[in-house]
Formats: sequence, structure tokens, C-alpha cells
Amino acid sequence: GAGVSQSPRYKVAKRGQDVALRCDPISGHVSLFWYQQALGQGPEFLTYFQNEAQLDKSGLPSDRFFAERPEGSVSTLKIQRTQQEDSAVYLCASSDPGQGYEQYFGPGTRLTVT
Amino acid sequence: QQQVKQSPQSLIVQKGGISIINCAYENTAFDYFPWYQQFPGKGPALLIAIRPDVSEKKEGRFTISFNKSAKQFSLHIMDSQPGDSATYFCAAGTGRRALTFGSGTRLQVQP
Repeated sequence: GAGVSQSPRYKVAKRGQDVALRCDPISGHVSLFWYQQALGQGPEFLTYFQNEAQLDKSGLPSDRFFAERPEGSVSTLKIQRTQQEDSAVYLCASSDPGQGYEQYFGPGTRLTVT
Repeated sequence: QQQVKQSPQSLIVQKGGISIINCAYENTAFDYFPWYQQFPGKGPALLIAIRPDVSEKKEGRFTISFNKSAKQFSLHIMDSQPGDSATYFCAAGTGRRALTFGSGTRLQVQP
């Protein structure tokens, strides 16, 4: 079946612009995670949803970052007033807690803030 | 407490050799330890994972060794191939929640 998809794959934003990144999880996967991966580093946790409920947002770096999953499927990560330090790859992962612990990642969105 | 330390940062292995990557953790609440493989421009792909109730898990050429008392785990890639050249990340998690990743190991397998 289809894996996790993310769009856009690449986004260039001028400093101060707002951006919205989309994640389509694997069909039926209840859990959805957002991670941020800086160049040459491992992914770092941002936020976690179970269905539409945002159960953990402890990794969001500032109040400029906002995530939602209103119908428990597609999720959007929004970054307001982008800054240069927001430049990174944003990864989405989904999992089915009923099947195990495995998290499956999408290809990521590379955000460059100029 | 949440850190996962990974070594080496980079590794060069000859084709057919064994690649070994090590990770150490502090948080004894971690109960899930996956390894991911990442190629440039791609998302991390789950390679193999282990729970702390076993000391070793093997899948094809990939083996995880887990030492609960030392709070360490490692990935062994047997008969390494040029196609294995990628960045490998260890991770650790609690329950079915967020993963904490290591900093990555860039593996190069020379033909």
C-alpha cells in the first residue's frame, strides 16, 4: 500500500512568511508524529497526535509552530513568521499502535528560509 | 536523560566486511530501540528494531545486540555491500510515543 506522503517536497520562504506543510499518513494509522531534521543531524521530535488529539507538543521550538489534525487523518504543520533557523527537513511519521511500535516516515519537506 | 549517543560519526568498510555502529542511552524507561537507514534526499527507513526483553535480533544481514545492564545497543551489518552506503540512525522510545534519535553514522562501503 501507499506510504506516508508529504507536500510540498521543497519550500523556499522569505523570512517572515508563513508556511504550511502537509502530511498524509498511511491509511488507518492512528498515530502521527512530526520531526525536524537539521542538516547532518538526527530527527528531533516536534509533536504527536493520536487520532485528532494532540497528545504531546513538547518539542515545538516556539509558539510560531502550530500543528493540527482535525479529522484524525491528514496533518498540517504551520510555521508563522519564519526565521532562518527554521531551515530544516520536516519529517512526518505514522504508526498503528495496535500493530506495534514501528514508525514509518515520509520523504520530508525541505524548508529553506532566505 | 533523554539523550541517545551514537558512534562512530563516520565509518568506512570494505565490501564483504562487518560494519558496527554503537549507541548508548541514559533513560531506563526506554523500551523500544529501532535502527533507521537514510539515503540522501529520502526519509528514514525502518531497518530493524528490538525490545529490551531480548539480547539479540537478527534479520538477514542485520543484527541488533542489546545490553540492558550497560544501557547500550549496536547494529552489525554482515557482508557489507556498496548499496549499504547510507546514514544510519539509532533511536529509543517509550511506549508507542516519540523517538529520541542518535546523531547518525555515515557509512561508506568501498567496492
